[in-house]
Amino acid sequence: EIVLTQSPGTLSLSPGERATLSCRASQSVSSIYLAWYQQKPGQAPRLLIYGASSRATGIPDRFSGSGSGTDFTLTISRLEPEDFAVYYCQQYGISRTFGQGTKVEIK
Amino acid sequence: QVQLQESGPGLVKPSETLSLTCTVSGYSISNGYVWGWIRQPPGKGLEWIGTIHHSGSTYYNPSLKSRVTISVDTSKNQFSLNLSSVSAADTAVYYCARSGVLVAEKYFHHWGQGTLVTVSS
Repeated sequence: EIVLTQSPGTLSLSPGERATLSCRASQSVSSIYLAWYQQKPGQAPRLLIYGASSRATGIPDRFSGSGSGTDFTLTISRLEPEDFAVYYCQQYGISRTFGQGTKVEIK
Repeated sequence: QVQLQESGPGLVKPSETLSLTCTVSGYSISNGYVWGWIRQPPGKGLEWIGTIHHSGSTYYNPSLKSRVTISVDTSKNQFSLNLSSVSAADTAVYYCARSGVLVAEKYFHHWGQGTLVTVSS
């Protein structure tokens, strides 16, 4: 099983700041098999990024994904109030596994 | 616009079988895609349970495989989850979701709102 480790566990930032979230895989993952989701309290996850760097329909361009091999990054260029949430990475190349999540909270 | 809605008992006794149904609207399951279940224990992260192809082929999380059955009823445009021998560790919000068929499309792009299932006597 591919284990995904996300860091940091919590990111405390102010609106307008840049957020950089990390997702590290226990073995190499093809970049086309890595996705990112956003989840707000009481809501289902929402797909943000697939294929490591492709934005899903309707996702603002302040969200970007990058990486390859075992290291992947989700960047939010300028945090908007609605971006404070929990973010999960997921690999779907070998079975499917999720990371444990990174909470982006208001500082 | 495709919509997914979970339904089923909110309370299940230990050792019994948890059964949930996902009703799909706005798209016919028999036309394609892969349909899956994901769960989230209170305050914790997401865990993939398993998926079913519209043709009926299934894929399960190895850690749950011995207890999970996912089936599809195209006549009702529904798919279902059965999880046997449940314990308190199975208490979670259960989501149904849709993903693509090709490996490169197996992310979940449509989700139901989720339903909380509590395992308790």
